[in-house]
Amino acid sequence: DTGVSQDPRHKITKRGQNVTFRCDPISEHNRLYWYRQTLGQGPEFLTYFQNEAQLEKSRLLSDRFSAERPKGSFSTLEIQRTEQGDSAMYLCASSSGGSNEKLFFGSGTQLSVL
Amino acid sequence: KQEVTQIPAALSVPEGENLVLNCSFTDSAIYNLQWFRQDPGKGLTSLLLIQSSQREQTSGRLNASLDKSSGRSTLYIAASQPGDSATYLCAVETNSGYSTLTFGKGTMLLVSP
Repeated sequence: DTGVSQDPRHKITKRGQNVTFRCDPISEHNRLYWYRQTLGQGPEFLTYFQNEAQLEKSRLLSDRFSAERPKGSFSTLEIQRTEQGDSAMYLCASSSGGSNEKLFFGSGTQLSVL
Repeated sequence: KQEVTQIPAALSVPEGENLVLNCSFTDSAIYNLQWFRQDPGKGLTSLLLIQSSQREQTSGRLNASLDKSSGRSTLYIAASQPGDSATYLCAVETNSGYSTLTFGKGTMLLVSP
């Protein structure tokens, strides 16, 4: 069990550029979540995958955001035409599912949009 | 809309003290409540999960209680240590099938030697 891995750890980009983040969940986990956390706030739910199916999306996930989980393994989160308001820590979590599941979080990708 | 509030926002105590962190939520129709720990620049580590039918959970020096009807939870840390210094986050789940957690802003704890 190597834990949830996220890449890159830090990303600095200019407004208007596209960025993509990757999350590698714990290998046997079939559920994967993306959350976003801004400074001084708690994380906010963005989206959820059960295997390769994206089953829930928050209204926070505007049409500039897209997430995929091909083959039900790793996941990518892409932000198109970044805005300064997108600056945040993007956290990925995975679980083996079931009711009252325990989530395992990665260390996050810190995005700064200049 | 569910809202989660944590008090205090920050807490500084000397090593060895027992302390209580508070969490309140506006909608009592929750499925479970969880406490997480977050170290600076890191992800979250799950500490305790209390199901809606439970009143408390314990893990080592940590004890979390839940009063669903009043919308309150407390996290009790016994004999605090400098290694306990971190931000503690409370989160509630209102879905029964998966974890679209609603988090509070956290309590930043500093335990001095």
